[in-house]
Amino acid sequence: NAGVTQTPKFRVLKTGQSMTLLCAQDMNHEYMYWYRQDPGMGLRLIHYSVGEGTTAKGEVPDGYNVSRLKKQNFLLGLESAAPSQTSVYFCASSYTPWAEAFFGQGTRLTVV
Amino acid sequence: GENVEQHPSTLSVQEGDSAVIKCTYSDSASNYFPWYKQELGKRPQLIIDIRSNVGEKKDQRIAVTLNKTAKHFSLHITETQPEDSAVYFCAGGEGTYKYIFGTGTRLKVLA
Repeated sequence: NAGVTQTPKFRVLKTGQSMTLLCAQDMNHEYMYWYRQDPGMGLRLIHYSVGEGTTAKGEVPDGYNVSRLKKQNFLLGLESAAPSQTSVYFCASSYTPWAEAFFGQGTRLTVV
Repeated sequence: GENVEQHPSTLSVQEGDSAVIKCTYSDSASNYFPWYKQELGKRPQLIIDIRSNVGEKKDQRIAVTLNKTAKHFSLHITETQPEDSAVYFCAGGEGTYKYIFGTGTRLKVLA
């Protein structure tokens, strides 16, 4: 039982490049979330999903897109990376929005 | 939308003393209030949570209290130890499906 796994763990991008972060969970959770964590800003919700095939915007969705084609996977895409997107990204999943959220190990992204 | 405010942003206590972190929320429909601990370089992990039908919950040295009328909830850590040093986050579940976190409190336990 791996829980929530994020790929990759580290990445350096040049401004304007694109990339996709993968989040996979094996707990059969319906709800999945993508957060970014910046110093002093806590965990800010980028996008979330309430089930397979659904996505919704969170607090800071601009510059990101997501897809949930399979229940166990939640992908976060950056179409044209900007230095302001340098951050640590965490994926999380939960059985319901009113239950424990399980986090992946994080992805440290640097955009130069 | 939901707003969760957390105070203080940093907190230093002597080992053995108590620490209290407070959060306020805006959405009256919120009914689930978890607290997460994040050690340096690690992922956040749940340490305790409370639901709106309960006023207080304890787990050994950790307790959470909820005041729904005032829309605030607090984390209490007693007999603090060096391993309690970490960043603590509260969260509020918005009436729909969002899981919104506070900005975090960096707790330092001084030996």
